Amino acid sequence: EAQVTQNPRYLITVTGKKLTVTCSQNMNHEYMSWYRQDPGLGLRQIYYSMNVEVTDKGDVPEGYKVSRKEKRNFPLILESPSPNQTSLYFCASSFGGVQPQHFGDGTRLSIL
Amino acid sequence: GENVEQHPSTLSVQEGDSAVIKCTYSDSASNYFPWYKQELGKRPQLIIDIRSNVGEKKDQRIAVTLNKTAKHFSLHITETQPEDSAVYFCAASTRAGNMLTFGGGTRLMVKP
Repeated sequence: EAQVTQNPRYLITVTGKKLTVTCSQNMNHEYMSWYRQDPGLGLRQIYYSMNVEVTDKGDVPEGYKVSRKEKRNFPLILESPSPNQTSLYFCASSFGGVQPQHFGDGTRLSIL
Repeated sequence: GENVEQHPSTLSVQEGDSAVIKCTYSDSASNYFPWYKQELGKRPQLIIDIRSNVGEKKDQRIAVTLNKTAKHFSLHITETQPEDSAVYFCAASTRAGNMLTFGGGTRLMVKP
């Protein structure tokens, strides 16, 4: 089954404790992206990757890192999480930036 | 950067009526405009998209229109059903198609 898999689905943690949210897709998509969703703000793009070893900042990259060492994986790293990063995060993938994006089920992060 | 505004933020209709959601965008270079539906607690799912070389696209009860001159596009849902109740997001491509900028979302409620 074609899917985008995120882990964990839920995480409560404390300020400053490094965390990684994993994202994996099995559709051989070249393009992958991370979004955060906050009430009234829609989805805002954090980082995206056009292909392996090619990443670029989105609209809200501060406090986040990503890597794309393999085509199928695109982890989101919060090296020193802060409460303003409490949000719902979605990973998405597609065959290209202007192709339909397939979203994962989301990861709800709470940072205390 | 691109700015996408979406209206209304909430919309309540009677079952069987039509619903219209409108979005405006700022970047005249945008050329891809998807619409996503997000049910409560679920991932966003693409319901229809349109590219800038097309003025209108239909898929059963759903249609999207695009006015490039005015830089606005709209989602039309006819014969609404209770299962159409969800949050709908419009988006526009930016940065040469490498990114999507989303509107703030419209909560559609279809009353039986």
